[in-house]
Amino acid sequence: GAVVSQHPSRVICKSGTSVKIECRSLDFQATTMFWYRQFPKQSLMLMATSNEGSKATYEQGVEKDKFLINHASLTLSTLTVASAHPEDSSFYICSANKGDLLNYGYTFGSGTRLTVV
Amino acid sequence: AQSVTQLGSHVSVSEGALVLLRCNYSSSVPPYLFWYVQYPNQGLQLLLKYTSAATLVKGINGFEAEFKKSETSFHLTKPSAHMSDAAEYFCAVSISGGYNKLIFGAGTRLAVHP
Repeated sequence: GAVVSQHPSRVICKSGTSVKIECRSLDFQATTMFWYRQFPKQSLMLMATSNEGSKATYEQGVEKDKFLINHASLTLSTLTVASAHPEDSSFYICSANKGDLLNYGYTFGSGTRLTVV
Repeated sequence: AQSVTQLGSHVSVSEGALVLLRCNYSSSVPPYLFWYVQYPNQGLQLLLKYTSAATLVKGINGFEAEFKKSETSFHLTKPSAHMSDAAEYFCAVSISGGYNKLIFGAGTRLAVHP
């Protein structure tokens, strides 16, 4: 199989603090992981592509200094929301592909609901 | 640029009725296409995928989709809806080359009523 674990599932933080979200591929190595943001009742917006051992590639309009991505190993990517504000409240989802789209497609984590108060 | 368009943000069917969720794609090269389902406050679960093999793709939970190049469509169907099918459904296209980014349609919320 191809399992992606995302932690935490829910986090509430105070405005101005930083929050780290982890995305792990449990049974495969993922050189590339993706981070998405989803607003209520809306689709997933790709934020950035996380590459193991190198800098992340951010989509246009995504603040790289606000959303810090680190892909330090082949099984772990982290998204840190720096100095979070209420407008950063959202559902964040990571995904990875096992590298074999024909057989596995993309696997998604269960998401993290971030609420900034 | 590759993109997908899902026609109908909300679809409502009766239990036991046919489910048809529409997806059209735009791509200058043969695409990989996917259908995902999302339940409230959860991640996405893959229903099925088209990766240039058979044009009729069967997925989990009785869903299937047909790739029609002439119509640039990849509609999702299920012969008989169950109450448990009520969820949000997303069509997605993989951008070839680079890191194979996945681009999603706007989603269709399926409601199933008794």
